[in-house]
Amino acid sequence: KNEVEQSPQNLTAQEGEFITINCSYSVGISALHWLQQHPGGGIVSLFMLSSGKKKHGRLIATINIQEKHSSLHITASHPRDSAVYICAVDSNTGNQFYFGTGTSLTVIP
Amino acid sequence: DAGITQSPRHKVTETGTPVTLRCHQTENHRYMYWYRQDPGHGLRLIHYSYGVKDTDKGEVSDGYSVSRSKTEDFLLTLESATSSQTSVYFCAIRETHDNEQFFGPGTRLTVL
Repeated sequence: KNEVEQSPQNLTAQEGEFITINCSYSVGISALHWLQQHPGGGIVSLFMLSSGKKKHGRLIATINIQEKHSSLHITASHPRDSAVYICAVDSNTGNQFYFGTGTSLTVIP
Repeated sequence: DAGITQSPRHKVTETGTPVTLRCHQTENHRYMYWYRQDPGHGLRLIHYSYGVKDTDKGEVSDGYSVSRSKTEDFLLTLESATSSQTSVYFCAIRETHDNEQFFGPGTRLTVL
């Protein structure tokens, strides 16, 4: 059983397309994180949010606490956005941090 | 970028040998974590530390031990490496329990 589920697992888009990656979770959380992992392995934190919406450049993250769901949107996608995007949650019971298995995004020029 | 390094970055070892991976931070963050990343599983917590000499187990702690004798270093030891421990290992740090995590570059370990 996975506490965090992401969809889709793989996504291919044309440059300029609007992209949405979804994350659902089954545990109570204090915060949700979106991470980016490029080929070569480094992991970077994109967003941490516990309510509402956050925006950074072309990236937007939203969360609906009641529905236990979050989305990551990329506007005007670019080949440099190609990476694995990982959703993770801070459980609100103890020091537990659960990760989704990631969404592999490829943006074609 | 957060000052966090891992060593070694790559290691090949044989079944049954002990292996120690090192995570070093220059941020003076209280929390440090060791994860492993495997295809189809995502990242999974092995052990974490919430202060010097204060550590606790994660969901996949069997076969691993950790030590934190000073704030900046968190060591992960595979007491007797097995092929199932072939993985990519990531260290992460966090200033407080509810801040974002910063990840190290990863260590690719192969156990033959």
